[in-house]
Amino acid sequence: GAGVSQSPRYKVAKRGQDVALRCDPISGHVSLFWYQQALGQGPEFLTYFQNEAQLDKSGLPSDRFFAERPEGSVSTLKIQRTQQEDSAVYLCASSSVPGGLNYGYTFGSGTRLTVV
Amino acid sequence: RKEVEQDPGPFNVPEGATVAFNCTYSNSASQSFFWYRQDCRKEPKLLMSVYSSGNEDGRFTAQLNRASQYISLLIRDSKLSDSATYLCVVNTGNQFYFGTGTSLTVIP
Repeated sequence: GAGVSQSPRYKVAKRGQDVALRCDPISGHVSLFWYQQALGQGPEFLTYFQNEAQLDKSGLPSDRFFAERPEGSVSTLKIQRTQQEDSAVYLCASSSVPGGLNYGYTFGSGTRLTVV
Repeated sequence: RKEVEQDPGPFNVPEGATVAFNCTYSNSASQSFFWYRQDCRKEPKLLMSVYSSGNEDGRFTAQLNRASQYISLLIRDSKLSDSATYLCVVNTGNQFYFGTGTSLTVIP
């Protein structure tokens, strides 16, 4: 597609529920990133994929968070047993170069997760 | 200490004014630098990269001072449409570190 597409746009989950957030990067982009943005804060890094390989998952806040990109294109961020502190906007970004170095990257519109 | 620090503002300036934002970063090994713009409830969008020699794009000028580890963005002749949050971004390794953003409101 022309841009990075994320779904759903909004998600309300009850505490303890599992959620799955989807990201369709720009076609052919090798790098894919997930970020978490809390209200009034800048985006915080969660994880990075180069093609299907998850090269960095140091930003995932707990073992309840899991991300995959099995075929090197679409990625899914899964959060198990959601808690209220998981409420945030989850942003996906992609880049045509490894790591996005020197070129930055393009963000999707994000998924706004609210845990009640 | 945070990787990237920015003054959150808000900056409220009249149309036509010149406004400057600064940001500092902590890791001297950081490799590339950017300014992103984020409108309310929208995703961040790349405004411009920041090069060591400084670079300009229309009314926007970005500068990098590696010795002092700071980045600046200058906006001349502010327009109402410049109202947004401006995020300073630093790339270190595979990670991009974002500042908390500086809020700008341009007033008629």
